[in-house]
Amino acid sequence: QSVLTQPPSVSAAPGQKVTISCSGSSSNIGNNYVSWYQQLPGTAPKLLIYENNKRPSGIPDRFSGSKSGTSATLGITGLQTGDEADYYCGTWESSLSAGVFGTGTKVTVL
Amino acid sequence: QITLKESGPTLVKPTQTLTLTCTFSGFSLSTSGVGVGWIRQPPGKALEWLALIYWDDDKRYSPSLKSRLTITKDTSKNQVVLTMTNMDPVDTATYYCAHTLIADDAFDIWGQGTMVTVSS
Repeated sequence: QSVLTQPPSVSAAPGQKVTISCSGSSSNIGNNYVSWYQQLPGTAPKLLIYENNKRPSGIPDRFSGSKSGTSATLGITGLQTGDEADYYCGTWESSLSAGVFGTGTKVTVL
Repeated sequence: QITLKESGPTLVKPTQTLTLTCTFSGFSLSTSGVGVGWIRQPPGKALEWLALIYWDDDKRYSPSLKSRLTITKDTSKNQVVLTMTNMDPVDTATYYCAHTLIADDAFDIWGQGTMVTVSS
């Protein structure tokens, strides 16, 4: 059972915006960087956001990340059918000296 | 260009020990700040963080699996090995290795994953 909680699913029409929340605590999100991953069906996860709000080279600016206190948020604007995937947040859990992932959120484009 | 690839058995019997190898290129695990981690994903379920080894041989384990896991590195071969003892059907999953930097804790490059089934 993950210590990071995400909504099971979010959906929106093409071109619209979705946000995915990741709720944690002071021992994980509150004091560590958050990263976000996209997992397309049948593929390995791909890094979308690191250090809370930075995008690796090649990740479009439609994807954004933010953090406030013990929660983090991934935003996707201009939703495309190719964005249908599972999304996971990740961070370090200081009390365990180990990494943790969120419960995962499925994004559906209506 | 960084690449990683997992290898190991696709089928193991309950109680056996699983040994997985991550062979990588494009970076050195002797470079300061570099790490390689293991993550697994049971079919239809979420990612689970397993273990991580850093350039300086610092090792971190998931507390819930720590007694069963061992992570080691062979810098000369560009390999990281994960062993998991006493395998159970609930350990059936796709196992991934991934590159990370201690500076940001993110897994920036992932291997393709290897599916491991535990069954008698």
